[in-house]
Amino acid sequence: DVKVTQSSRYLVKRTGEKVFLECVQDMDHENMFWYRQDPGLGLRLIYFSYDVKMKEKGDIPEGYSVSREKKERFSLILESASTNQTSMYLCASSLHQDGNNEQFFGPGTRLTVL
Amino acid sequence: AQKITQTQPGMFVQEKEAVTLDCTYDTSDPSYGLFWYKQPSSGEMIFLIYQGSYDQQNATEGRYSLNFQKARKSANLVISASQLGDSAMYFCAMRLTNTGNQFYFGTGTSLTVIP
Repeated sequence: DVKVTQSSRYLVKRTGEKVFLECVQDMDHENMFWYRQDPGLGLRLIYFSYDVKMKEKGDIPEGYSVSREKKERFSLILESASTNQTSMYLCASSLHQDGNNEQFFGPGTRLTVL
Repeated sequence: AQKITQTQPGMFVQEKEAVTLDCTYDTSDPSYGLFWYKQPSSGEMIFLIYQGSYDQQNATEGRYSLNFQKARKSANLVISASQLGDSAMYFCAMRLTNTGNQFYFGTGTSLTVIP
C-alpha cells in the first residue's frame, strides 16, 4: 500500500517561529504536493515538486517555502509563522504520468499559530 | 480563475436513495483527468473514481459512477444506495497533463445521509 506520512498530526506554534512540516512517501512517486485546507475554500495548492530539487509555486505560495532534497521527502517551511497560517496542511504524492494516477494523501497536520 | 466548481455546499439524502453531487470544470486543454475524493470526519482523503478526458464510457466503481458530459464540462458523482458511512465531504478535482500533473480541487460538498 502507498503510504504518505506527515511528521505531526497536531502542532501549536507561536507567531514568528520557523515551522517545518515534513512529508515522506514510500512509493517512489515523482510528484509531491503541499495543500492547505480551510472551511469553505477546499484544498489550495501551496507548492508542488515533480523531481528532486525541483519546485513549482501553486496558488498560494506567499509565506511558505519548500525543500525536496530526496525523492521521498518534501518539506514545507513557514519562515515566520503568522496567525493566518493556522490551517490543516495536507501532503500528497503521485506518479508523473498520464492516466489514473491519483494523488495519495497523508493524514494531515493541523497547525495552530498563536 | 476557478477551474473546478462545486455549487452545492451541503446535501442531504435519505439512506438507500441515490444522490448526485455536481462538479463543473474549466479548461481548454484536450488532455485532463477528473477525480473524486471522499473526506470523512477523520480527515483522510480517499480516492473514489477517475475519468479521463478521452474515455468514451462513464467511469464506475461499485456504488460510485461518474456522469461525464464533456460538452458541458461536467463530471457529476452519482452515489447509489446511500449508506450512513457515505456522510462526508466530497471533493472534485482535475489534473492537467501539461502543468506537471498539478491538481485543481473544488471547494467540496458536505453530504449527510439521513437514516
